[in-house]
Amino acid sequence: AQTVTQSQPEMSVQEAETVTLSCTYDTSESDYYLFWYKQPPSRQMILVIRQEAYKQQNATENRFSVNFQKAAKSFSLKISDSQLGDAAMYFCAYNLDSGTYKYIFGTGTRLKVLA
Amino acid sequence: SAVISQKPSRDICQRGTSLTIQCQVDSQVTMMFWYRQQPGQSLTLIATANQGSEATYESGFVIDKFPISRPNLTFSTLTVSNMSPEDSSIYLCSVVTASYEQYFGPGTRLTVT
Repeated sequence: AQTVTQSQPEMSVQEAETVTLSCTYDTSESDYYLFWYKQPPSRQMILVIRQEAYKQQNATENRFSVNFQKAAKSFSLKISDSQLGDAAMYFCAYNLDSGTYKYIFGTGTRLKVLA
Repeated sequence: SAVISQKPSRDICQRGTSLTIQCQVDSQVTMMFWYRQQPGQSLTLIATANQGSEATYESGFVIDKFPISRPNLTFSTLTVSNMSPEDSSIYLCSVVTASYEQYFGPGTRLTVT
């Protein structure tokens, strides 16, 4: 069975600094998708970044980038130039490329941004 | 994109009662899902809401406890039946559009006393 593990329940970062959130997953599949979602206090889940497993190049979206290590089954999120608005719960998620769109989520990392 | 609304946004219910949560999307979507997020925990998929037919439930979730309807391509309901305090959670609707983008609703915070 596929699992997603986020070992950091909470992280803190100074404003304008860089922080990395960790995520590991377990799967026997070769084609899948990985995601980072942000859930602010408003509860609205927002897609931050997405990575296709068949792509070796790490995905980047503005200040957000990932370090995807397929062999190690690791998918970390780096947030550069952290802003107060980045404070939220961050969930790592896995989706098998089967067209079912069913996600498996990690337990989340609460990110605090210190002014 | 898709804009999702859920009603109610929150509710406090007594044990033994039932609550129906509505999910409305502003455009026709391919797939609709219901997730549960228990306090301090991650999201767990309850079921896939199928239009015009019975929902497809994940392991650990049954129709008698969580009946789901999806009468059309923009609307679905989830009922939490015979509630107990363990059902206190946030319930989120999620959709997949025709362009294969996935969105989540704002959630319904349910507290059972």
